[in-house]
Amino acid sequence: GAVVSQHPSRVICKSGTSVKIECRSLDFQATTMFWYRQFPKQSLMLMATSNEGSKATYEQGVEKDKFLINHASLTLSTLTVTSAHPEDSSFYICSASRTANYGYTFGSGTRLTVV
Amino acid sequence: GENVEQHPSTLSVQEGDSAVIKCTYSDSASNYFPWYKQELGKRPQLIIDIRSNVGEKKDQRIAVTLNKTAKHFSLHITETQPEDSAVYFCAASSDDYKLSFGAGTTVTVRA
Repeated sequence: GAVVSQHPSRVICKSGTSVKIECRSLDFQATTMFWYRQFPKQSLMLMATSNEGSKATYEQGVEKDKFLINHASLTLSTLTVTSAHPEDSSFYICSASRTANYGYTFGSGTRLTVV
Repeated sequence: GENVEQHPSTLSVQEGDSAVIKCTYSDSASNYFPWYKQELGKRPQLIIDIRSNVGEKKDQRIAVTLNKTAKHFSLHITETQPEDSAVYFCAASSDDYKLSFGAGTTVTVRA
């Protein structure tokens, strides 16, 4: 159990366009979803925390108008990278949590390349 | 916020030897400490975790110890095998559910 599906796994887009990444919990209801960004050979950096039906909470330094997060249901959260630039190229990973006692389940990640 | 420090950044061990990775955390409210293994381009995989009411936990060749007073926790891998080669991350969280990750340790097991 506790499977999180993330799509797409890879995306290449042109500079200035927007990209949407989906994160779905397949067999449980996720009260909280998290979005991370990971640059090559670096750690996972939390971008934002989203709870179903409410606005996401962004970490310091993360532009909320650039990284739009929607958590419309208990099984789906989306991250939209708006007006993407080459410096946004990174590995984006979501994770979902039912409650803290159940731990965290990670999606498979999305490799975004902006050209 | 929580600050997690992880050492060493790289670790090379001979197959069959043990590997130890250490982490410290800053927030005394942290109560959940997972360890993840990540292979290149893949998602982090939980290998073991420990909660603040436990001092040690073991799962076959992997063990984790927690010292709440000193605010540090360690991962121990015994009888290392080539397939243990990967990047390992420690993390910590409190009741706000937010995971703070260490910088990672690249483990290489030499055959």
